Amino acid sequence: GQNIDQPTEMTATEGAIVQINCTYQTSGFNGLFWYQQHAGEAPTFLSYNVLDGLEEKGRFSSFLSRSKGYSYLLLKELQMKDSASYLCAAGDSNYQLIWGAGTKLIIKP
Amino acid sequence: GAVVSQHPSRVICKSGTSVKIECRSLDFQATTMFWYRQFPKQSLMLMATSNEGSKATYEQGVEKDKFLINHASLTLSTLTVTSAHPEDSSFYICSARDPRLDYNEQFFGPGTRLTVL
Repeated sequence: GQNIDQPTEMTATEGAIVQINCTYQTSGFNGLFWYQQHAGEAPTFLSYNVLDGLEEKGRFSSFLSRSKGYSYLLLKELQMKDSASYLCAAGDSNYQLIWGAGTKLIIKP
Repeated sequence: GAVVSQHPSRVICKSGTSVKIECRSLDFQATTMFWYRQFPKQSLMLMATSNEGSKATYEQGVEKDKFLINHASLTLSTLTVTSAHPEDSSFYICSARDPRLDYNEQFFGPGTRLTVL
């Protein structure tokens, strides 16, 4: 079957670094996406990985290992505005996105 | 990036009435659009996949006669919640794929918050 696993909730301190992990199983694979969603708002795109390795974009980086079915989102220099849910989604062979339940990130001062 | 709009952003209606939500791709033609529902503090739940010119594909447990989806053009899909009840109160979000891209990124509309009294 198809499945995405990520932690339900994480807490980190302002200015620190946090890593949100995601494991996936899909029928075919067409990339791994990370989205950010603030409460009451629609998700916004953060990153896309289709090849193994690390993609860096400012304070956010995303890593993919296709052989392990594993990805992580790394957030550096955390700011209070980073408090949000982070959704991991894997693309399958039918161009559908299989969504994780999301990780709620709480940033403390 | 591609832009998706959604209208209305917020709607309050009486129980038993029908509500139509529009989803438009503004700068690209979307052959496939998706409708999601999200209850408070829960993740996105895919309701249906809408394909232009054909019937929508509904996820298990979603009543197709209650949630009518029409994708009559390449830039517009509509979701009609028929005979709405308070338990249908939720955040409804649409997204669209840009067929020009060779990967699956979905571009989201801003969402519609439906409250049924």
